[in-house]
Amino acid sequence: QQQVKQSPQSLIVQKGGISIINCAYENTAFDYFPWYQQFPGKGPALLIAIRPDVSEKKEGRFTISFNKSAKQFSLHIMDSQPGDSATYFCAALYLYNFNKFYFGSGTKLNVKP
Amino acid sequence: NAGVTQTPKFRVLKTGQSMTLLCAQDMNHEYMYWYRQDPGMGLRLIHYSVGEGTTAKGEVPDGYNVSRLKKQNFLLGLESAAPSQTSVYFCASSYGHEQYFGPGTRLTVT
Repeated sequence: QQQVKQSPQSLIVQKGGISIINCAYENTAFDYFPWYQQFPGKGPALLIAIRPDVSEKKEGRFTISFNKSAKQFSLHIMDSQPGDSATYFCAALYLYNFNKFYFGSGTKLNVKP
Repeated sequence: NAGVTQTPKFRVLKTGQSMTLLCAQDMNHEYMYWYRQDPGMGLRLIHYSVGEGTTAKGEVPDGYNVSRLKKQNFLLGLESAAPSQTSVYFCASSYGHEQYFGPGTRLTVT
Protein backbone atom coordinates (compact mmCIF):
# COMPACT_ATOMS: atom_id res chain seq x y z
CA GLN A 1 0.00 0.00 0.00
CA GLN A 2 1.52 3.25 -1.14
CA GLN A 3 1.63 5.71 1.74
CA VAL A 4 2.18 8.78 -0.43
CA LYS A 5 0.59 9.23 -3.86
CA GLN A 6 2.13 11.70 -6.28
CA SER A 7 0.89 13.19 -9.55
CA PRO A 8 1.47 13.82 -12.35
CA GLN A 9 4.05 11.26 -13.42
CA SER A 10 5.51 13.72 -15.93
CA LEU A 11 5.10 17.42 -16.59
CA ILE A 12 6.13 19.73 -19.41
CA VAL A 13 6.19 23.46 -18.71
CA GLN A 14 7.36 26.41 -20.77
CA LYS A 15 10.15 28.59 -19.41
CA GLY A 16 8.68 31.20 -17.11
CA GLY A 17 5.59 29.13 -16.34
CA ILE A 18 4.40 27.63 -13.06
CA SER A 19 5.06 23.95 -12.35
CA ILE A 20 2.68 22.26 -9.91
CA ILE A 21 3.18 18.79 -8.45
CA ASN A 22 0.66 17.25 -6.09
CA CYS A 23 0.89 14.67 -3.33
CA ALA A 24 -1.64 13.02 -1.05
CA TYR A 25 -1.19 10.94 2.08
CA GLU A 26 -3.40 8.84 4.33
CA ASN A 27 -1.61 8.54 7.64
CA THR A 28 -2.23 11.55 9.87
CA ALA A 29 0.69 10.51 12.08
CA PHE A 30 3.18 11.87 9.55
CA ASP A 31 4.85 14.95 10.98
CA TYR A 32 7.16 16.22 8.27
CA PHE A 33 6.79 16.57 4.51
CA PRO A 34 9.95 17.15 2.45
CA TRP A 35 10.41 17.51 -1.29
CA TYR A 36 13.48 16.16 -3.05
CA GLN A 37 15.00 17.11 -6.40
CA GLN A 38 16.95 14.59 -8.42
CA PHE A 39 19.03 15.30 -11.51
CA PRO A 40 19.93 12.47 -13.90
CA GLY A 41 22.73 10.29 -12.56
CA LYS A 42 22.61 11.89 -9.11
CA GLY A 43 21.06 11.07 -5.79
CA PRO A 44 18.00 12.98 -4.56
CA ALA A 45 18.69 16.18 -2.65
CA LEU A 46 16.44 17.95 -0.15
CA LEU A 47 14.75 20.94 -1.77
CA ILE A 48 12.23 22.26 0.73
CA ALA A 49 10.15 20.83 3.59
CA ILE A 50 7.11 21.71 5.70
CA ARG A 51 5.53 20.72 9.00
CA PRO A 52 1.79 19.94 9.12
CA ASP A 53 1.01 22.95 11.36
CA VAL A 54 2.04 25.35 8.58
CA SER A 55 -0.10 25.98 5.48
CA GLU A 56 2.60 27.39 3.23
CA LYS A 57 6.36 27.64 3.03
CA LYS A 58 8.30 29.58 0.43
CA GLU A 59 11.98 29.43 -0.46
CA GLY A 60 12.90 31.48 -3.48
CA ARG A 61 10.88 30.25 -6.44
CA PHE A 62 9.78 27.09 -4.62
CA THR A 63 6.62 27.00 -2.49
CA ILE A 64 4.96 24.16 -0.61
CA SER A 65 1.22 24.46 -0.02
CA PHE A 66 -0.17 22.18 2.68
CA ASN A 67 -3.84 21.29 3.24
CA LYS A 68 -4.07 19.29 6.45
CA SER A 69 -7.81 18.62 6.28
CA ALA A 70 -7.55 17.26 2.74
CA LYS A 71 -4.28 15.44 3.53
CA GLN A 72 -2.69 16.94 0.46
CA PHE A 73 0.38 19.01 -0.25
CA SER A 74 1.86 20.44 -3.39
CA LEU A 75 5.05 21.93 -4.77
CA HIS A 76 4.84 25.08 -6.87
CA ILE A 77 7.81 26.20 -8.93
CA MET A 78 7.35 29.79 -10.03
CA ASP A 79 9.09 31.21 -13.11
CA SER A 80 10.23 27.69 -14.07
CA GLN A 81 13.66 27.50 -15.72
CA PRO A 82 15.29 24.83 -17.91
CA GLY A 83 17.70 24.21 -15.03
CA ASP A 84 14.72 23.06 -12.95
CA SER A 85 14.28 20.07 -15.26
CA ALA A 86 14.65 17.11 -12.91
CA THR A 87 12.63 14.46 -11.13
CA TYR A 88 10.84 15.62 -8.00
CA PHE A 89 9.80 13.38 -5.13
CA CYS A 90 7.49 14.24 -2.28
CA ALA A 91 7.90 12.36 0.97
CA ALA A 92 6.38 11.98 4.40
CA LEU A 93 7.99 10.83 7.59
CA TYR A 94 7.57 10.12 11.24
CA LEU A 95 10.24 12.08 13.06
CA TYR A 96 9.95 9.94 16.16
CA ASN A 97 9.71 6.51 14.54
CA PHE A 98 13.23 5.79 13.35
CA ASN A 99 12.98 8.59 10.80
CA LYS A 100 11.28 6.34 8.26
CA PHE A 101 10.72 8.24 5.02
CA TYR A 102 7.90 7.32 2.62
CA PHE A 103 8.35 8.59 -0.93
CA GLY A 104 5.94 9.36 -3.73
CA SER A 105 6.54 7.79 -7.13
CA GLY A 106 8.20 10.89 -8.59
CA THR A 107 7.40 13.53 -11.22
CA LYS A 108 9.70 14.12 -14.15
CA LEU A 109 9.65 17.83 -14.96
CA ASN A 110 10.80 19.14 -18.33
CA VAL A 111 11.00 22.91 -18.66
CA LYS A 112 11.19 23.90 -22.30
CA PRO A 113 13.20 27.02 -23.24
CA ASN B 1 33.54 16.38 4.03
CA ALA B 2 32.49 13.84 1.37
CA GLY B 3 28.93 13.31 2.69
CA VAL B 4 27.57 9.92 1.59
CA THR B 5 29.65 7.83 -0.78
CA GLN B 6 28.80 4.56 -2.49
CA THR B 7 30.92 1.93 -4.18
CA PRO B 8 30.81 0.66 -6.84
CA LYS B 9 29.05 3.09 -9.19
CA PHE B 10 28.14 0.41 -11.74
CA ARG B 11 28.05 -3.37 -11.65
CA VAL B 12 26.84 -6.16 -13.89
CA LEU B 13 26.10 -9.52 -12.31
CA LYS B 14 24.99 -12.85 -13.67
CA THR B 15 21.97 -14.52 -12.10
CA GLY B 16 23.01 -16.36 -8.94
CA GLN B 17 26.14 -14.33 -8.27
CA SER B 18 26.63 -12.43 -5.03
CA MET B 19 27.93 -8.98 -4.28
CA THR B 20 28.18 -6.33 -1.59
CA LEU B 21 27.46 -2.64 -2.00
CA LEU B 22 29.32 -0.34 0.35
CA CYS B 23 27.97 2.91 1.75
CA ALA B 24 30.01 5.29 3.87
CA GLN B 25 29.07 8.59 5.56
CA ASP B 26 31.28 11.07 7.37
CA MET B 27 28.55 13.13 9.05
CA ASN B 28 28.30 10.99 12.20
CA HIS B 29 24.63 10.22 11.48
CA GLU B 30 22.91 7.51 13.48
CA TYR B 31 20.36 6.57 10.84
CA MET B 32 21.28 4.95 7.53
CA TYR B 33 19.12 3.51 4.77
CA TRP B 34 19.25 1.50 1.58
CA TYR B 35 16.69 2.23 -1.16
CA ARG B 36 16.12 0.96 -4.63
CA GLN B 37 14.78 3.17 -7.39
CA ASP B 38 12.82 1.75 -10.27
CA PRO B 39 11.00 3.68 -13.02
CA GLY B 40 7.57 4.87 -11.89
CA MET B 41 7.98 3.41 -8.41
CA GLY B 42 9.88 6.10 -6.60
CA LEU B 43 12.26 5.14 -3.83
CA ARG B 44 11.50 1.96 -1.93
CA LEU B 45 13.16 1.24 1.39
CA ILE B 46 15.05 -2.06 1.51
CA HIS B 47 16.64 -2.00 4.97
CA TYR B 48 17.59 0.64 7.46
CA SER B 49 19.68 1.06 10.59
CA VAL B 50 19.13 3.26 13.63
CA GLY B 51 22.65 2.86 14.94
CA GLU B 52 25.83 0.81 14.93
CA GLY B 53 25.08 -2.88 15.24
CA THR B 54 21.35 -2.52 14.47
CA THR B 55 19.41 -3.22 11.28
CA ALA B 56 15.74 -3.53 10.38
CA LYS B 57 13.64 -4.51 7.39
CA GLY B 58 12.04 -1.93 5.17
CA GLU B 59 9.40 -2.21 2.52
CA VAL B 60 11.17 -4.61 0.10
CA PRO B 61 13.79 -6.60 2.09
CA ASP B 62 13.54 -9.99 0.38
CA GLY B 63 16.74 -11.10 -1.33
CA TYR B 64 18.92 -8.57 0.51
CA ASN B 65 20.93 -8.56 3.71
CA VAL B 66 22.65 -5.69 5.49
CA SER B 67 25.22 -5.06 8.18
CA ARG B 68 26.23 -2.01 10.20
CA LEU B 69 29.41 -3.03 12.01
CA LYS B 70 30.72 0.53 12.12
CA LYS B 71 28.66 3.68 12.53
CA GLN B 72 29.96 5.21 9.33
CA ASN B 73 29.40 2.17 7.09
CA PHE B 74 26.27 0.36 5.93
CA LEU B 75 26.67 -2.66 3.68
CA LEU B 76 24.02 -4.13 1.38
CA GLY B 77 24.47 -7.72 0.25
CA LEU B 78 22.85 -9.75 -2.47
CA GLU B 79 23.47 -13.44 -1.82
CA SER B 80 22.03 -14.79 -5.08
CA ALA B 81 21.26 -12.05 -7.58
CA ALA B 82 18.08 -12.21 -9.67
CA PRO B 83 17.08 -10.16 -12.73
CA SER B 84 14.33 -8.55 -10.59
CA GLN B 85 17.11 -6.91 -8.58
CA THR B 86 18.22 -4.85 -11.57
CA SER B 87 17.83 -1.33 -10.26
CA VAL B 88 19.57 1.79 -9.05
CA TYR B 89 20.49 1.54 -5.37
CA PHE B 90 20.79 4.57 -3.15
CA CYS B 91 22.22 4.78 0.30
CA ALA B 92 21.21 7.61 2.60
CA SER B 93 21.85 8.85 6.09
CA SER B 94 19.79 11.20 8.17
CA TYR B 95 19.84 13.58 11.08
CA GLY B 96 16.37 14.66 12.11
CA HIS B 97 14.29 15.37 9.04
CA GLU B 98 17.25 15.93 6.75
CA GLN B 99 18.20 12.92 4.68
CA TYR B 100 21.36 12.88 2.58
CA PHE B 101 21.74 10.55 -0.38
CA GLY B 102 24.74 9.01 -2.05
CA PRO B 103 25.25 9.13 -5.83
CA GLY B 104 23.80 5.67 -6.42
CA THR B 105 24.91 2.29 -7.75
CA ARG B 106 23.46 1.07 -11.03
CA LEU B 107 23.18 -2.73 -10.86
CA THR B 108 22.25 -4.91 -13.79
CA VAL B 109 21.56 -8.62 -13.31
CA THR B 110 21.56 -10.68 -16.50
